[in-house]
Amino acid sequence: DADVTQTPRNRITKTGKRIMLECSQTKGHDRMYWYRQDPGLGLRLIYYSFDVKDINKGEISDGYSVSRQAQAKFSLSLESAIPNQTALYFCATSDSSRPPDTQYFGPGTRLTVL
Amino acid sequence: GDSVTQMEGPVTLSEEACLTINCTYTATGYPSLFWYVQYPGEGLQLLLKATKADDKGSNKGFEATYRKETTSFHLEKGSVQVSDSAVYFCALSDRSSSNTGKLIFGQGTTLQVKP
Repeated sequence: DADVTQTPRNRITKTGKRIMLECSQTKGHDRMYWYRQDPGLGLRLIYYSFDVKDINKGEISDGYSVSRQAQAKFSLSLESAIPNQTALYFCATSDSSRPPDTQYFGPGTRLTVL
Repeated sequence: GDSVTQMEGPVTLSEEACLTINCTYTATGYPSLFWYVQYPGEGLQLLLKATKADDKGSNKGFEATYRKETTSFHLEKGSVQVSDSAVYFCALSDRSSSNTGKLIFGQGTTLQVKP
């Protein structure tokens, strides 16, 4: 069984639509992260959360919002999708009690905005 | 700010060839260093890590040594296999006073191994 799951795995949507990407984990980790991957740019951090009540912006948070519904669930929303948000999105988790904060990644969601 | 620079790919090798993927970093403190691997269609998996200077991380025949004097963490393997074909990411962990644990990634290097 996968420890970090993401739904959906693939999504095609249109400009202006609201989209939610979901992430769930069974690792019991307190920290969760959302990244996007673009060719030639590596992974860039969108938002991260240390626990349910602690959410922080990453380097590219504009146009995105998140919700940490429970320790095990962290959702990413695009309020009004635009084509340059077409990318591969990854959720990750880590355990702050076990430095150096090795992160564990989900399988990714491929999002296409037309 | 902190940053990671990897050699540009793609890197194409024949099976059993030696591999080196260069990675250098810029950091204000003493970061932990990681190599992650992404196989086609999958998420990233931790390949190896090192937490302090002169530490050597190793896994699946891959090695990397944390070199503080040259701010490098080059990935090496003596004999690559077709199954090693993947994208490799070097990363460092932000260990500032806020202890965010954020990872800063290089741009990734694609390795293709031919039979």
